Amino acid sequence: DADVTQTPRNRITKTGKRIMLECSQTKGHDRMYWYRQDPGLGLRLIYYSFDVKDINKGEISDGYSVSRQAQAKFSLSLESAIPNQTALYFCATSAHDQMRETQYFGPGTRLLVL
Amino acid sequence: GENVEQHPSTLSVQEGDSAVIKCTYSDSASNYFPWYKQELGKGPQLIIDIRSNVGEKKDQRIAVTLNKTAKHFSLHITETQPEDSAVYFCAASTNSGGSNYKLTFGKGTLLTVNP
Repeated sequence: DADVTQTPRNRITKTGKRIMLECSQTKGHDRMYWYRQDPGLGLRLIYYSFDVKDINKGEISDGYSVSRQAQAKFSLSLESAIPNQTALYFCATSAHDQMRETQYFGPGTRLLVL
Repeated sequence: GENVEQHPSTLSVQEGDSAVIKCTYSDSASNYFPWYKQELGKGPQLIIDIRSNVGEKKDQRIAVTLNKTAKHFSLHITETQPEDSAVYFCAASTNSGGSNYKLTFGKGTLLTVNP
């Protein structure tokens, strides 16, 4: 979805380096998420945020941190990258809606940690 | 927490045939079940969803069924076309704070439709 953008799209880094993945959205949604996708493991939630003052850990937050700089921006950082963090990372957004909770995903960032 | 199992992991069908993907969930409190389609090089996109107060929902060639008693739900695609080739994810969610924001995904099914 072009309304959710991620930068960079591809990144190669070395073990021990700190890197940041960025996500921006123009959908006006208050909720934002970071997921990790590994082959055969599906999508797993790393962190989520309901607004700029609300950050919550997902099921696999160890080794990651996030920053919600504005309603439209949500960044994921790897403080000291390790090879098993090699994966495809997705940002997603959603609007608080009691009828449905559609999440809109960005195009993904493919990360390789050497 | 919730656990979602999805089968099969890969599925190959001939164009025009039907495809069925099945998921089971563990938390009886789950009440929202979306299906996402991920095309190559793209992020997942919602294609259909169902709530626990409904047993079946249909949208053109796509349908989803839900059996709350057995805690399983399925995606049915009829008259498959090559553009249906993608990875499909099921997910389950419980209502928390008035919304179903926290999705637990299955591991995905790679569907290939052969012309």
